[in-house]
Amino acid sequence: EIVLTQSPGTLSLSPGDRVTLSCRASQTMISGFLAWYQQKPGQAPRLLIYSALNRASGTPDRFVGSGSGTDFTLTISRLEPEDFAVYYCQQYHKSPWTFGQGTKVEIK
Amino acid sequence: QVQLQESGPGLMKPSETLSLTCSLSGGSIGIDYWSWIRQPPGKGLEWIGYVNYMGLTNYNPSLKSRVTMSADTSKDNFSLTLRFVTAADTAVYYCARVVPTGDYYDSGYYLQRGYFDLWGPGILVTVSS
Repeated sequence: EIVLTQSPGTLSLSPGDRVTLSCRASQTMISGFLAWYQQKPGQAPRLLIYSALNRASGTPDRFVGSGSGTDFTLTISRLEPEDFAVYYCQQYHKSPWTFGQGTKVEIK
Repeated sequence: QVQLQESGPGLMKPSETLSLTCSLSGGSIGIDYWSWIRQPPGKGLEWIGYVNYMGLTNYNPSLKSRVTMSADTSKDNFSLTLRFVTAADTAVYYCARVVPTGDYYDSGYYLQRGYFDLWGPGILVTVSS
């Protein structure tokens, strides 16, 4: 199966900061079949990005997905208070679909 | 507004069979793919499998021997059955709608690709003796 490794595990940041989250795949995903989700405590995950770079409906434009092959990135240009959460990447290039272990963005 | 809602037991004993149902409101289960995903307390997400409106399924090999999924288009719901549960199956179970992005051929089967655009709130299932 494709293993997704997210880094870093935790980021301690302040509102207004720029943040870059990494998701590295164990196999090349040529067509970028990768999604990003945001999860807040006690809530279900929420889709942010699909196909590596397309924003889902309702995703603010401060969230930018990029990458190809094995290396993918989610950038938040300017952190808002509501952005502090755990972020997961998910690959759907090959079954079984897998998730990264998550990156927690916490308030410094 | 389309919504999903999981239902089922919150507490189970080891070796029992878990049955969960996901009910769709504000829409129809037809033509789409539907998934179950679980999350042990404090841990990450694990995809369990998908089912479509015709009953086509694909399961995670890690659970395949114990899992069955089905869809009921007359009731606009779909279900998960997990046999022989243990404490390791304690988790929040989510149902979700899959946005299909196309299929591919692998090991004798056509498999779908997709991501999740709509999630239920989740249901905590605890397995304890």
